[in-house]
Amino acid sequence: AQSVTQLDSHVSVSEGTPVLLRCNYSSSYSPSLFWYVQHPNKGLQLLLKYTSAATLVKGINGFEAEFKKSETSFHLTKPSAHMSDAAEYFCVVTRSGNTPLVFGKGTRLSVIA
Amino acid sequence: KAGVTQTPRYLIKTRGQQVTLSCSPISGHRSVSWYQQTPGQGLQFLFEYFSETQRNKGNFPGRFSGRQFSNSRSEMNVSTLELGDSALYLCASSLDSSTVNEKLFFGSGTQLSVL
Repeated sequence: AQSVTQLDSHVSVSEGTPVLLRCNYSSSYSPSLFWYVQHPNKGLQLLLKYTSAATLVKGINGFEAEFKKSETSFHLTKPSAHMSDAAEYFCVVTRSGNTPLVFGKGTRLSVIA
Repeated sequence: KAGVTQTPRYLIKTRGQQVTLSCSPISGHRSVSWYQQTPGQGLQFLFEYFSETQRNKGNFPGRFSGRQFSNSRSEMNVSTLELGDSALYLCASSLDSSTVNEKLFFGSGTQLSVL
């Protein structure tokens, strides 16, 4: 079975400061991991994905995440927050092939001017 | 290129009724999957269709069903609605059925309220 735990339900940062959204995963197999973002009244959008290639993954809008097997973590970071980054972020795990995605409960990111 | 379109955007029903939600995938996409999003349970997988065949099914009761047409459009149906079915129902499409290799494109969802 696979699961993800997003360690913070809400993170608040000031504009221009770094963002860290934490995610731990559990998987009996080599996982594929994703981060999705959901802006209010919008569908989810893929930020980045890890599929057993480079452990440091770069995504859109300046976000990146590092896969750490020893820590079973896949934290999402961004050097400098922008107001437009305020949204709900989901860490997602799947196994392989066409196995359904398993979503974390989400972290709401607030960016203060 | 048009995105994933879900209709209707909002829906209000009463307990015991049934409801049908529609999803039109991006042109050329053959895989459509459905998710239920609630504040308490988060996003949960309902089912996935690929070329009119159900490929995967989540852990939901039989009241939840779906289908996919030859043009890849998909519908999901919920019968005998319960208060707990109130949720945002999201549809996602992709070119192929692989959740690892394929990028999912999500619609804005249908917000269902059961009174």
